[in-house]
Amino acid sequence: GAGVSQSPSNKVTEKGKDVELRCDPISGHTALYWYRQSLGQGLEFLIYFQGNSAPDKSGLPSDRFSAERTGGSVSTLTIQRTQQEDSAVYLCASSLQQGVEQYFGPGTRLTVT
Amino acid sequence: LAKTTQPISMDSYEGQEVNITCSHNNIATNDYITWYQQFPSQGPRFIIQGYKTKVTNEVASLFIPADRKSSTLSLPRVSLSDTAVYYCLVGKRGNAGNMLTFGGGTRLMVKP
Repeated sequence: GAGVSQSPSNKVTEKGKDVELRCDPISGHTALYWYRQSLGQGLEFLIYFQGNSAPDKSGLPSDRFSAERTGGSVSTLTIQRTQQEDSAVYLCASSLQQGVEQYFGPGTRLTVT
Repeated sequence: LAKTTQPISMDSYEGQEVNITCSHNNIATNDYITWYQQFPSQGPRFIIQGYKTKVTNEVASLFIPADRKSSTLSLPRVSLSDTAVYYCLVGKRGNAGNMLTFGGGTRLMVKP
């Protein structure tokens, strides 16, 4: 079956511009997560959605970052006024319920010039 | 939040058994231990999860001693394709926050 998909796979943007990253989770998965991974580093949690509950935004690094999940399915991560330190791979994952096995997408590589 | 400590890197040869140990001294009573594998340019992939003693699946085994302050991921007869970064996570199954912390992982290099 289809796994988690993300788009675009690569995004190059100029400093100060806004970007939107998309995640399509596995159908039926109620939990959706966004992570960030800098080159050679581990994963950094950003935000978590579970069903219709309020998202856990505790990992968002600044108010320039926001995310939404429409209809309990597709999610969009928005970064406003991008900075060079935002350059990283942004990974999305979904799971049937919170805390159990997470299925990751291929990621979006964001480069801010 | 249970912190984990793993070796930064390990080398092995094809056909050998590889054991990667993770320390989690302040693991909580209801924390689970989960291992993920990540290849370059890909998202992590779930390998195995356990609570105590031993868990085995078609990919690996997970050994957890009685005090649960450490765990060992065992990969039998590794091949070149097992070269990847392996992450150990500790956290509660029913709580999002603790399960979502990935450390630096262990970079395994399998040589011919």
